[in-house]
Amino acid sequence: DAGVIQSPRHEVTEMGQEVTLRCKPISGHNSLFWYRQTMMRGLELLIYFNNNVPIDDSGMPEDRFSAKMPNASFSTLKIQPSEPRDSAVYFCASSKGPADTQYFGPGTRLTVL
Amino acid sequence: DQQVKQNSPSLSVQEGRISILNCDYTNSMFDYFLWYKKYPAEGPTFLISISSIKDKNEDGRFTVFLNKSAKHLSLHIVPSQPGDSAVYFCAAHSGAGSYQLTFGKGTKLSVIP
Repeated sequence: DAGVIQSPRHEVTEMGQEVTLRCKPISGHNSLFWYRQTMMRGLELLIYFNNNVPIDDSGMPEDRFSAKMPNASFSTLKIQPSEPRDSAVYFCASSKGPADTQYFGPGTRLTVL
Repeated sequence: DQQVKQNSPSLSVQEGRISILNCDYTNSMFDYFLWYKKYPAEGPTFLISISSIKDKNEDGRFTVFLNKSAKHLSLHIVPSQPGDSAVYFCAAHSGAGSYQLTFGKGTKLSVIP
């Protein structure tokens, strides 16, 4: 079975540009998570969806960040406008249920110049 | 305030010997603990977990020990193999049905052939 798929794997952009990260969760998984990993703060939860509905977005750092899940097989994380401090690795993870084991995608390494 | 702490950023072990990775937590509401393993340019992969009602869980070469009174858990790898070289993250869930995973910052294990 395919795992969690993320695209792109690497993104380099300039400050002020819009960035869209994409995620396809494992089929049959009802919970989806977006995380950000930085050296300073480690892995942090940004937003959690259950059955395509955003349940907890308290980790989203600013209004510049937004996430959607239009259907069970696709989610996006958008940063507009991007800033150099947004540079990090962004992971998407999915699980069957909220408290079940989370399976992570390979991540998107974002560099904002 | 870090609720899950991995105080050793790195650890080197000779092939065939035991690797012991440690994790401390401060939140007494945590009741389920997981270890994830991460290779470079990949997402974290679930390795092993333990419920707070147990003090030990074993899976092949991997054993996790939980000391609730000390709020401490450890991951033992015996025998260590070069392929075990990776970053290991400790993570904790709080409460039944909780989706929130709190991660430590990771310990980089190097197994020397």
